[in-house]
Amino acid sequence: DGGITQSPKYLFRKEGQNVTLSCEQNLNHDAMYWYRQDPGQGLRLIYYSQIVNDFQKGDIAEGYSVSREKKESFPLTVTSAQKNPTAFYLCASSFQGRDYGYTFGSGTRLTVV
Amino acid sequence: AQSVTQLDSQVPVFEEAPVELRCNYSSSVSVYLFWYVQYPNQGLQLLLKYLSGSTLVKGINGFEAEFNKSQTSFHLRKPSVHISDTAEYFCAVTPSNAGGTSYGKLTFGQGTILTVHP
Repeated sequence: DGGITQSPKYLFRKEGQNVTLSCEQNLNHDAMYWYRQDPGQGLRLIYYSQIVNDFQKGDIAEGYSVSREKKESFPLTVTSAQKNPTAFYLCASSFQGRDYGYTFGSGTRLTVV
Repeated sequence: AQSVTQLDSQVPVFEEAPVELRCNYSSSVSVYLFWYVQYPNQGLQLLLKYLSGSTLVKGINGFEAEFNKSQTSFHLRKPSVHISDTAEYFCAVTPSNAGGTSYGKLTFGQGTILTVHP
């Protein structure tokens, strides 16, 4: 079955460490997105990519980095520069230009202690 | 740019009662509209979407929504809720026209937590 996979589901890191969240899709979607979710704040866009080897900053990109070397993969690195990294992170993908709507992964809950 | 306001952060309701979750949006261009549902510690699942045509849209799990262009609203309704409908619901918009920096990007509201009591 096609879908979008995020791993790990739970992640614990010490303050000051970089951490990379994985996102893989086998839907042949062109675009991929990373969102951060905090209680009562909805989903905020961190980064998005519409084609391989290209990506754009979203609304809250500071302290995060991404790469898009393959169509299927869009990993997110939470760097030590992110001041408040503890959150629920959601990856999504979609086709560009038709039948709008995202497919979401099941999320990664990152806790920094 | 687009913005979405979900007018209620929490909606408690008894089982088998009707429910309406309210969503207003702001946009200088035409938009497509979506409702998603999120169960605890999971990703979002598409409930329904409005792209064009009939302003009354039916989705999964018995939900429906009505697009009102003059009031820039897209309220979600269900005539009779179940315990299993307890979840957080998100309204979202994206521009319907190609071009521009917002093309293809969804803007989400803050979410409405629906709690169904027995």
